[in-house]
Amino acid sequence: GENVEQHPSTLSVQEGDSAVIKCTYSDSASNYFPWYKQELGKRPQLIIDIRSNVGEKKDQRIAVTLNKTAKHFSLHITETQPEDSAVYFCAASINFGNEKLTFGTGTRLTIIP
Amino acid sequence: EADIYQTPRYLVIGTGKKITLECSQTMGHDKMYWYQQDPGMELHLIHYSYGVNSTEKGDLSSESTVSRIRTEHFPLTLESARPSHTSQYLCASSGRQGARDTEAFFGQGTRLTVV
Repeated sequence: GENVEQHPSTLSVQEGDSAVIKCTYSDSASNYFPWYKQELGKRPQLIIDIRSNVGEKKDQRIAVTLNKTAKHFSLHITETQPEDSAVYFCAASINFGNEKLTFGTGTRLTIIP
Repeated sequence: EADIYQTPRYLVIGTGKKITLECSQTMGHDKMYWYQQDPGMELHLIHYSYGVNSTEKGDLSSESTVSRIRTEHFPLTLESARPSHTSQYLCASSGRQGARDTEAFFGQGTRLTVV
């Protein structure tokens, strides 16, 4: 089955700087890669996703890049703000049929004011 | 409003008791999932379902069981709770938009403490 590795497990960034979280996946058939943000005491919520037919997607301060050849994808947050502090999870799945999402182990991002 | 609902939000129960965690979604999704998560830690898939009468075990072995008799309802049962079952349990669902699956939507979670 699919295996997703996520790094780093913790990340501290000065407010205004950029943060990058990286994930690798094992199953070359995976074609859907969402990123979730989980604030303290709250449920995980989707912040951005990318499908394998594109290499990059951007939404305001958040961007995701995908390298299918190397089987890795990354989350980039620019101009970080205190409200970006949370745990971030990457995931991968084969987005057709009855396939489940496989999550990474999470990255705890702390923005230092 | 379409959402995914979990009850109870918090539960403290004695060892040996039988408990059922409820999960219902009004999103019209066919797939549903149960994850176990210690606060801020990794999400472990313990059960999932593709549709009515379909249930599968997840990646993390669990002593719990699930049922899917109705599309919108996916309860999780522990026949005999133990302190090792203390954790947060998150229910999620996903569906289809045309030829593609949607992302997974999560419930608020049930924080279970077994004493």
